[in-house]
Amino acid sequence: KAGVTQTPRYLIKTRGQQVTLSCSPISGHRSVSWYQQTPGQGLQFLFEYFSETQRNKGNFPGRFSGRQFSNSRSEMNVSTLELGDSALYLCASSWGTGLRGTSTDSYNEQFFGPGTRLTVL
Amino acid sequence: GQQVMQIPQYQHVQEGEDFTTYCNSSTTLSNIQWYKQRPGGHPVFLIQLVKSGEVKKQKRLTFQFGEAKKNSSLHITATQTTDVGTYFCAGGAFGNEKLTFGTGTRLTIIP
Repeated sequence: KAGVTQTPRYLIKTRGQQVTLSCSPISGHRSVSWYQQTPGQGLQFLFEYFSETQRNKGNFPGRFSGRQFSNSRSEMNVSTLELGDSALYLCASSWGTGLRGTSTDSYNEQFFGPGTRLTVL
Repeated sequence: GQQVMQIPQYQHVQEGEDFTTYCNSSTTLSNIQWYKQRPGGHPVFLIQLVKSGEVKKQKRLTFQFGEAKKNSSLHITATQTTDVGTYFCAGGAFGNEKLTFGTGTRLTIIP
């Protein structure tokens, strides 16, 4: 089956602009999580959506927002870009999240997309 | 909030030597997952541990979950060049679906 896809793969923006990134999860997966990855901060959780509802949010300013559509595709938006927003943005999909009790249960195994490399100039 | 730390941040080993990375959480975890990210790639799921004291093996990789479910380790025996990458642990909290990723350990192999 097809993996997680993210578009665009690369993006160059200038400070003050806004950007929208897209993520198409694996077919059947209802949970989509977004992460920001930078060399100094590692993988930082942005938010998680399940069946069009945001269930969890990380410690990012309100300039970062997202949404999920009925087909589980998700978008994240960053408004008023700052230089520090330059990063690799990864989305990951799973059947769901939270534990279902067994080590062999793949329910919350996260499948990552290739990421969108955002550069803010 | 929950914090997950990993040590060491970097590790350089000669090919054939063993490697271990440690993961420590500030809170008790419901489960822990391990991921590997090759240079230029994206994280790929390796394994999930759920039970206190659980040990699981995948060929040369051994994963452990601490008795208190606050720490975990990944041990690689006789490293190979294909083991190069960054290894992340990710902890799940009780009653919360959020996974908190560790800071990662970047493994470099010296041929």
